[in-house]
Amino acid sequence: GESVGLHLPTLSVQEGDNSIINCAYSNSASDYFIWYKQESGKGPQFIIDIRSNMDKRQGQRVTVLLNKTVKHLSLQIAATQPGDSAVYFCAESLYSTLTFGKGTMLLVSP
Amino acid sequence: NAGVTQTPKFQVLKTGQSMTLQCAQDMNHEYMSWYRQDPGMGLRLIHYSVGAGITDQGEVPNGYNVSRSTTEDFPLRLLSAAPSQTSVYFCASNIMTANTGELFFGEGSRLTVL
Repeated sequence: GESVGLHLPTLSVQEGDNSIINCAYSNSASDYFIWYKQESGKGPQFIIDIRSNMDKRQGQRVTVLLNKTVKHLSLQIAATQPGDSAVYFCAESLYSTLTFGKGTMLLVSP
Repeated sequence: NAGVTQTPKFQVLKTGQSMTLQCAQDMNHEYMSWYRQDPGMGLRLIHYSVGAGITDQGEVPNGYNVSRSTTEDFPLRLLSAAPSQTSVYFCASNIMTANTGELFFGEGSRLTVL
């Protein structure tokens, strides 16, 4: 719910703009990365994933970029819509567990 | 398909009480896990299971027990609730392991310990 958004970095954009959400991951051995979207009062929803042998992957309106040299992941959302307003989490995986980042709140104004 | 179902959605406990958060999935997923979500902390893994009869600890396991007697169910037990366990709890499942594709989440269980 609303408490998820407290103390989170926030990105505010206008409808129609492109959004870029950044994430630094911690383990250089992680081999799988995922972006999740969480709307208020709901569980996280899968957006897109990428494996460590790739540096870019595209979905519908979303692109994930992976820079293993600096352990950085980004999510690009094209033509951002009000329905994209949510908290976005990156997650890294090694073996059987996923470790989540703290999240970024995206606010889209009409 | 119902996906991942968590019950209850809301619960208030007094310090020292025990309770079980239920999680069931109907997708025949081998991997199930429990996370807690606190403001500004993201999701932290409590326990996980890679199949019936197998469980393992995550990042924050203290104060919680789990069991996996069937593929479908993965209950989370709080034996003696503490105010520090006030949180939103999410159950999630995956067809095989956490790194083989989408992790499906339930809607969450909001627990308050007074």
